[in-house]
Amino acid sequence: DTGVSQDPRHKITKRGQNVTFRCDPISEHNRLYWYRQTLGQGPEFLTYFQNEAQLEKSRLLSDRFSAERPKGSFSTLEIQRTEQGDSAMYLCASSLSWGQETQYFGPGTRLLVL
Amino acid sequence: AQKITQTQPGMFVQEKEAVTLDCTYDTSDQSYGLFWYKQPSSGEMIFLIYQGSYDEQNATEGRYSLNFQKARKSANLVISASQLGDSAMYFCAMRGVPQTGANNLFFGTGTRLTVIP
Repeated sequence: DTGVSQDPRHKITKRGQNVTFRCDPISEHNRLYWYRQTLGQGPEFLTYFQNEAQLEKSRLLSDRFSAERPKGSFSTLEIQRTEQGDSAMYLCASSLSWGQETQYFGPGTRLLVL
Repeated sequence: AQKITQTQPGMFVQEKEAVTLDCTYDTSDQSYGLFWYKQPSSGEMIFLIYQGSYDEQNATEGRYSLNFQKARKSANLVISASQLGDSAMYFCAMRGVPQTGANNLFFGTGTRLTVIP
């Protein structure tokens, strides 16, 4: 059983560029979450999907951020017109929608905006 | 609103000793879940243990146990027989009430544990 995978693991970009991250959840998990973690802080919730439906978005998710999960499997998170403040670790997690609903995390994508 | 507080920025423990990492939470919900995650320097969040708000017994998973005191709103993690590989950041987290759609986790600021040989 493979865990949650994320690609790329590291991304360096220049301010103003667009970036896209991919997350592949655990195969039988119907829920998928995106979090952002800055240095010295715990992860902060961005958005989550149940199957292909985006059910909740944080106020942290500005209009420059968009997330999709087109077929209820993998998800992409796109940041348009990146700013230096977007530099962070972007974590993806997946879970079932019953039982403990434990979220299992991927290795994260470290973004550095120059 | 949910809030998680971890008051210990850093902790040291001697190898093979036990250590307790503190976590207090604040919520007005009756139903909630509490989680502990370990984050090594590689960055991945590793799930350790879960406690439901209605669980009457403290959760245990191998060397990890959760000291759940509902009236005090505390959910401390106890690691027994510490190993060098336990050195990492540890995060306490709480999940909101699923019925309201708040399925996201709220995290504390973490505790950095260092195991000394």
